[in-house]
Formats: sequence, structure tokens, C-alpha cells
Amino acid sequence: SQKIEQNSEALNIQEGKTATLTCNYTNYSPAYLQWYRQDPGRGPVFLLLIRENEKEKRKERLKVTFDTTLKQSLFHITASQPADSATYLCARPAGAGSYQLTFGKGTKLSVIP
Amino acid sequence: DAGVIQSPRHEVTEMGQEVTLRCKPISGHNSLFWYRQTMMRGLELLIYFNNNVPIDDSGMPEDRFSAKMPNASFSTLKIQPSEPRDSAVYFCASSPLGDEAFFGQGTRLTVV
Repeated sequence: SQKIEQNSEALNIQEGKTATLTCNYTNYSPAYLQWYRQDPGRGPVFLLLIRENEKEKRKERLKVTFDTTLKQSLFHITASQPADSATYLCARPAGAGSYQLTFGKGTKLSVIP
Repeated sequence: DAGVIQSPRHEVTEMGQEVTLRCKPISGHNSLFWYRQTMMRGLELLIYFNNNVPIDDSGMPEDRFSAKMPNASFSTLKIQPSEPRDSAVYFCASSPLGDEAFFGQGTRLTVV
């Protein structure tokens, strides 16, 4: 099965710094990776999708990279704010051509004022 | 659109009772997913429907779990009989094919 791992369960960072979250996958590179944000008591909310042929994608203070050699995606939040504190999940298709997503367990980010 | 709507938000039931969770997906979305989230296992896919047809139910833990999608605007996940180990947050999500998934607020199930 296609596995996806987020190695850090928790990350604490000072306000204003750049937060970097890591997502690693096994087996073949997926057609795309997705990143979601989840706040306590709420469902995950989609943030960004990056395709296999894209090295980098940006959205406001967010940046995602996709390295097929390292089998890794990095998620960056620049100029982090306390409001960015949440759990961030990465996801990949469960199989080739599949619309089902397999999620990592998430990294809980805490931005300290 | 109000987004994906799940009910109830919270459910507390006794072991052995039947539990039914409900979901209204976003209009026009072809795909519907049921997920279960626990601290230990994270977010696990239970079942996937495409155009109201179950495509993959390999994530359904056992025969006590069943899901239906009688039409494009409604789906249910039923657990009968429920057990304490079923306690989790259950999410429904819908998606236009191949795009992002839109999640509901979830149902927190506690089986005592």
C-alpha cells in the first residue's frame, strides 16, 4: 500500500519565523500531493495541491515543494503567526489513478507569540 | 453552499446499540468518502462512493459497519452493534473528481 509519513508529531516555533513541515512517501511518486489544515474540533480544510511535475507552489505565506528524488514534500509557512497554530496533514492518492486519499497523521504546529 | 453537513455532531451510545451517522455532500460533487480519525491511527478511509455507487469499501473494519448512498445528496454510515473501540471522530468528505476534498465538521462518537 502507498504510505505517507509526517515524521514530526509536533513543532513549536517562534512568531515571525518560518515553519517547515515534512511529508515523506513510499513506493512510486504520486501524481500529486495535497496539504490540509485541521483545527481542533473541525474537519480538515484544503490548502494546496502540488503536482508531480511542479517543483514548488506558493499561496500567500505558504509554499510547498515536491522532490521526487527524496520522495518528500516540504510545507513552509513564512512569517508565522499564532493564528497559524493547527495540525497540518499531507495526503496522496491511495493508488495510481485513484481519487481516494491516504493521509499522514499530521504535524501539530504551535506558533509562540 | 453550506458545505458538507454531518449529523449528529456528537453521539454517545451504549455498547451493542445501533448507531447511524448522516452526511449531506456538496451539491455537484461526484465523490463521497467516509473517514475515521483517532489519535493512534490518524485519518483512515473507510469507504468511497462515486456517483452514489460504492467503489472501495476495503477500509470498513468489519461486518458491523455498513454505508449507503441512496441518492446524490445523502449518505449514511451505520454501526451495528457498536463497540467501545469504535469510539472516534467520523468524517464525511465530498469532492469533484480528482480535486480537493471538502470535509464536514465530523461526528464524535463515544461508545460506553
